[in-house]
Amino acid sequence: AQSVTQLGSHVSVSEGALVLLRCNYSSSVPPYLFWYVQYPNQGLQLLLKYTSAATLVKGINGFEAEFKKSETSFHLTKPSAHMSDAAEYFCAVSDQDFGNEKLTFGTGTRLTIIP
Amino acid sequence: EPEVTQTPSHQVTQMGQEVILRCVPISNHLYFYWYRQILGQKVEFLVSFYNNEISEKSEIFDDQFSVERPDGSNFTLKIRSTKLEDSAMYFCASRLERGGNEQFFGPGTRLTVL
Repeated sequence: AQSVTQLGSHVSVSEGALVLLRCNYSSSVPPYLFWYVQYPNQGLQLLLKYTSAATLVKGINGFEAEFKKSETSFHLTKPSAHMSDAAEYFCAVSDQDFGNEKLTFGTGTRLTIIP
Repeated sequence: EPEVTQTPSHQVTQMGQEVILRCVPISNHLYFYWYRQILGQKVEFLVSFYNNEISEKSEIFDDQFSVERPDGSNFTLKIRSTKLEDSAMYFCASRLERGGNEQFFGPGTRLTVL
């Protein structure tokens, strides 16, 4: 069974500061890992994904994440926060070995940007 | 750019009534999903659909739920007799193929059961 833990349901950072959103996963088989962003009253948009190629993954809007197997982590970072980054961020995992590859989501982290 | 669409955006219904939520996945995609998000909670998997049949369903997806792809373009979720606890945002998603490919999500249908 898969699971995702996102530490910190709410994170606040100042505009221009480093953004770090934490994600740890549990999976009995090699995982695919994803970060999705949800803006108010909108659906989920993919930021980036790890699919067993490079461990450092770059996504849209300047975000990146590093897969660390030894720490079972996939933390999301951005060097300099922008006001438009305020949203809810979800980490998700799916198994590589099953055809339907359903997503198991974490509880989400709401990111607030302080002007 | 192709996108997943969902109708209606908001559905209000009385407890015990049937509702059908509609989705139009991206046209060449092969895998289809429904997820739901109760207000303030995480997104939860309901069901996946491939090759005209359910490939996996969660514990939430009981006999009151069904899915259908009636005409090769629409993908529907039916709740036969709604309960108060079915109130949630329901997201449809589709994916082209296996191998960690992106699931594209629709904007969601907010279901309110009174």
